[in-house]
Amino acid sequence: GQNIDQPTEMTATEGAIVQINCTYQTSGFNGLFWYQQHAGEAPTFLSYNVLDGLEEKGRFSSFLSRSKGYSYLLLKELQMKDSASYLCAVSPRQGNLIFGKGTKLSVKP
Amino acid sequence: EAGVAQSPRYKIIEKRQSVAFWCNPISGHATLYWYQQILGQGPKLLIQFQNNGVVDDSQLPKDRFSAERLKGVDSTLKIQPAKLEDSAVYLCASSLVSGLNSPLHFGNGTRLTVT
Repeated sequence: GQNIDQPTEMTATEGAIVQINCTYQTSGFNGLFWYQQHAGEAPTFLSYNVLDGLEEKGRFSSFLSRSKGYSYLLLKELQMKDSASYLCAVSPRQGNLIFGKGTKLSVKP
Repeated sequence: EAGVAQSPRYKIIEKRQSVAFWCNPISGHATLYWYQQILGQGPKLLIQFQNNGVVDDSQLPKDRFSAERLKGVDSTLKIQPAKLEDSAVYLCASSLVSGLNSPLHFGNGTRLTVT
């Protein structure tokens, strides 16, 4: 079966660093994506990992360990506008994407 | 570039009625997806098109849901008859190619409420 787990909610302080974890078990693996979704809006693409290691993109970084079925999204210098849901999604085969339930991040002043 | 367009933005219907949603993907995007997102959950794939052919519809409840993508551009998703549990946001997404490094671009969705 396919299973993607991530925490339901997290809270962090403006200016801090937060790490959102994602573990997965899928029948295949062709890459892992992170999406950001503000309330009432469409998900927007943040990052993509297919090889083990860290991918950095400005304040956001994403890490992947394929042997452990584990990824995390790291957000630095948190801003109020980062309050959103963060969706971990795994591609078990080319062109197919399975989403986790999402982690709702609340950034407090 | 223009994003993925969806309409209507909101729809309220009674159970057993029918409803249709429309999606216009980003120009040139060959792959089109319909996802269902129930409140508090991640999007669930309903159907995937490559041009005008169906690639994956394994999770589409075919007794009540149907979708088409005529001419490989616009797509419509229909529910007939609707049930209370169909209340959700229906997201359309498109990607340039159905490949590893081709992220999905989502529309703003249609929020369906079935009463």
